[in-house]
Parts: sequence; C-alpha cells; structure tokens
Amino acid sequence: KAGVTQTPRYLIKTRGQQVTLSCSPISGHRSVSWYQQTPGQGLQFLFEYFSETQRNKGNFPGRFSGRQFSNSRSEMNVSTLELGDSALYLCASSFLQGSTDTQYFGPGTRLTVL
Amino acid sequence: AQSVTQLDSQVPVFEEAPVELRCNYSSSVSVYLFWYVQYPNQGLQLLLKYLSGSTLVKGINGFEAEFNKSQTSFHLRKPSVHISDTAEYFCAVRTGGANNLFFGTGTRLTVIP
Repeated sequence: KAGVTQTPRYLIKTRGQQVTLSCSPISGHRSVSWYQQTPGQGLQFLFEYFSETQRNKGNFPGRFSGRQFSNSRSEMNVSTLELGDSALYLCASSFLQGSTDTQYFGPGTRLTVL
Repeated sequence: AQSVTQLDSQVPVFEEAPVELRCNYSSSVSVYLFWYVQYPNQGLQLLLKYLSGSTLVKGINGFEAEFNKSQTSFHLRKPSVHISDTAEYFCAVRTGGANNLFFGTGTRLTVIP
C-alpha cells in the first residue's frame, strides 16, 4: 500500500499571500489530521477531518482552514500568510476516527514565508 | 488537559551502548501512548504504542517501552543502539474520545561511532 502523500514538498511564499497544501491518505483511510511543526512550538494539532466533516480543531486562528473530499483527500489553506507560519506541515491518516487507531504520517510540506 | 514532557532535549550515546529516552505525561483520564521517530527531512514513523494490556511494549527496530501508570511515564529503551538510530524521537499521548495526538518537545538522539 502506498503511504500518505503530501504535495508540494516545498513551498516558498511571501507575507500576505495564501497557500493550499494537499494530502492524500492511505487507501481506505477515512480520517485525516493536520499538524504544524516548528522549532519553537513543536508539533501542534491543527484539525481533523472524517467523512468530509471537521471533527476536531486545535487552537489556531481562522486563517487556517481545511476540507476533505469524498475520496478522503484533504487540503489545508492558510490565508494572509505571516512569517510565523513558516513550518513543516504534516498530514496523518487513520482508518477510523478513534483513540486507539494508529495515525500514519506523510513526509510533510515545508512552507517558508518570506 | 493532557501534556507530555520529554525531559531530555538531546541524548548522545556511543554505538552499541544502551539508551533510555524519558517521557512523562499528565492526564486525568485514561491515555493511549505512542513513540514516533523522525529522520531528517521526513515525516513521523510509529515506533510503538501502548493501548492496554501488557505494560511492556515492543516496537520496531529493537525498541521497547514500559508504561508505568503510578509514575505516569512511558520511557523508550533500546539495549544496543546503531548509527542509523540517530534521529528525533517524539512521545505522544491521546485520550479517549479524541483522535488528535499531543506531542512532547522531542529528544534528539545522536549515536556516536
């Protein structure tokens, strides 16, 4: 089975722009979660989608949004980019939405905001 | 609220020596515990997880961890490390009813030849 794929792998944007990141989960997985990784804040949960519905959300401003499509692929969007949004954005998928279900991570998209 | 503390930000160890990476958590409810490894420029890979049952959990690459409820700890161990174990290791916790993981700040393991 192919793993979680994320596109693009690297992205450079300037302040004020918006960006869309894409995540394709493992085949058959219906839950997709997004995390932000920075040297200062570490790994932080952004949001989770299951069956096209946002089920859980972390403590991030409304500039961060996401969606999930019927094939379970997910996108996250960041509007009005700030320097502090520079980070590695990781997507994780799991078969179900459950506490005991393992989350499998993709390689991440490294976003640099200039 | 849940929180995870990884006491050591960096752990240098000689090749073939044993290593222990420490993880403590705080939660008022039952927890599920995970260790992930991150190699440079890569995502996270699951090493092992504790859901229930035996408190000693064996994972991939020769790693194991022991869940200690009284000490709220989930330390990761390996009896003999290899150069290829050089990476960042993250402890994470998840509680019942929520799918998201709370991560510790990570421990950078450096294996010295």
